[in-house]
Amino acid sequence: KAGVTQTPRYLIKTRGQQVTLSCSPISGHRSVSWYQQTPGQGLQFLFEYFSETQRNKGNFPGRFSGRQFSNSRSEMNVSTLELGDSALYLCASSFGPSASGANVLTFGAGSRLTVL
Amino acid sequence: DQQVKQNSPSLSVQEGRISILNCDYTNSMFDYFLWYKKYPAEGPTFLISISSIKDKNEDGRFTVFLNKSAKHLSLHIVPSQPGDSAVYFCAAKGGSGSARQLTFGSGTQLTVLP
Repeated sequence: KAGVTQTPRYLIKTRGQQVTLSCSPISGHRSVSWYQQTPGQGLQFLFEYFSETQRNKGNFPGRFSGRQFSNSRSEMNVSTLELGDSALYLCASSFGPSASGANVLTFGAGSRLTVL
Repeated sequence: DQQVKQNSPSLSVQEGRISILNCDYTNSMFDYFLWYKKYPAEGPTFLISISSIKDKNEDGRFTVFLNKSAKHLSLHIVPSQPGDSAVYFCAAKGGSGSARQLTFGSGTQLTVLP
C-alpha cells in the first residue's frame, strides 16, 4: 500500500514568487491535512480538506490556500513568498476527519521550501 | 494560545535507561491523545495513543500515561535504544462537530546515548 506522496521534495524560490505543493494521500483516505514545520515551532496546522471541502483552517494569512480534488489529491499554494515561509511543509492523510474518533494521520516526507 | 505544550525542547538519556517525555494541555475538551515520532528528512509516524477514559496504554517498550486532573500526558520508553533518537510530538483531539480539532505540541528532541 503506497504511502502519502508529496512533490516536490525540495524547492528553492525567491521572495515574491508563488509555489504549489502537491500531496497524494493513501488510497481510500478522504482527509488531507497540511502542516508547516519550522525549528522550535513544532507542527503548525494550515488546513484540512475532507471530501473536497475545507474542514478547518489554521491561523495563517490568506497567501496560504489549498484545494482538494475528487480523487482526494490535494494541493497547497503560497503566493507572494516571504523569507519566513521557508519551512518543511507536511501533508497527512486519514480515512475520516483527522480529529474524529481514533483516526490516525499518516504523514508524507514533506516538501522542503527555501525562500531566498 | 498553545493548548498543547511540550516544555522540554530536548532530552538526553543513556541507552538502556528510561526516557520520559512530558506534555501538558489546557483544553479540558481534549479526549484523545497521541504521540508521533519524527526522524530527520521523514514525516512524523504514529507511535501510540490513549483515550481519556483510560489512564495508561502500553505497546511494547512504549507506555503512555494520562493524568486528566493534572492535564498531563507522558510517554515512557523502556529500555531506551539509540534508534529511539528522534523528535517526539504529542497531539490532542477535542471539541465537538465541525469545531473538533487535532492540536500538536512543539516537540521534544530525544537523544539516546550509546
